[in-house]
Amino acid sequence: KAGVTQTPRYLIKTRGQQVTLSCSPISGHRSVSWYQQTPGQGLQFLFEYFSETQRNKGNFPGRFSGRQFSNSRSEMNVSTLELGDSALYLCASSGTLNTEAFFGQGTRLTVV
Amino acid sequence: SQKIEQNSEALNIQEGKTATLTCNYTNYSPAYLQWYRQDPGRGPVFLLLIRENEKEKRKERLKVTFDTTLKQSLFHITASQPADSATYLCVPDNYGQNFVFGPGTRLSVLP
Repeated sequence: KAGVTQTPRYLIKTRGQQVTLSCSPISGHRSVSWYQQTPGQGLQFLFEYFSETQRNKGNFPGRFSGRQFSNSRSEMNVSTLELGDSALYLCASSGTLNTEAFFGQGTRLTVV
Repeated sequence: SQKIEQNSEALNIQEGKTATLTCNYTNYSPAYLQWYRQDPGRGPVFLLLIRENEKEKRKERLKVTFDTTLKQSLFHITASQPADSATYLCVPDNYGQNFVFGPGTRLSVLP
């Protein structure tokens, strides 16, 4: 069974641009969560989608948004990029509530 | 507000010894708690889940305890090896609500 796939693995963007990251969950998993990880802040929860609906949201500005498609694949978008958005963005999928999350390898975003 | 604390940012121990990592939470009543391992530049990997009605759970050299009165979980690695060096994260959760990770403890096992 294929794991969680995130694309691209690395990305360099300029301040002010926008970026879209993609996550393909494990087949059959309907929940997809996104996290931002920086050295100083650890893993910060962005949002979680389940069956195309955003179910939970972390404390991030509106520049961060996401969506989930009918096949459970998810995308997150960051608009008007800032230098502080440079981070490792991780996506995780899980089958049902009360089960472990499976993480992808992450997308390393660098904003210059 | 909910808060999760993990003992010292970094923990160094000698190979062969038992590593004990602590996870404390406040303003929270999780139904279960999970532990993950993360290596640099990679996503976390699930290790163990313990439910509120379980006192202890074991998996090979790993042991987790969960004390809902103390609001604390202990994570033990016995006979530690250099390959166990990583950051360990705890996640107290309540049926998928706000899946928040603790700050992590970076464990270094010295040969």
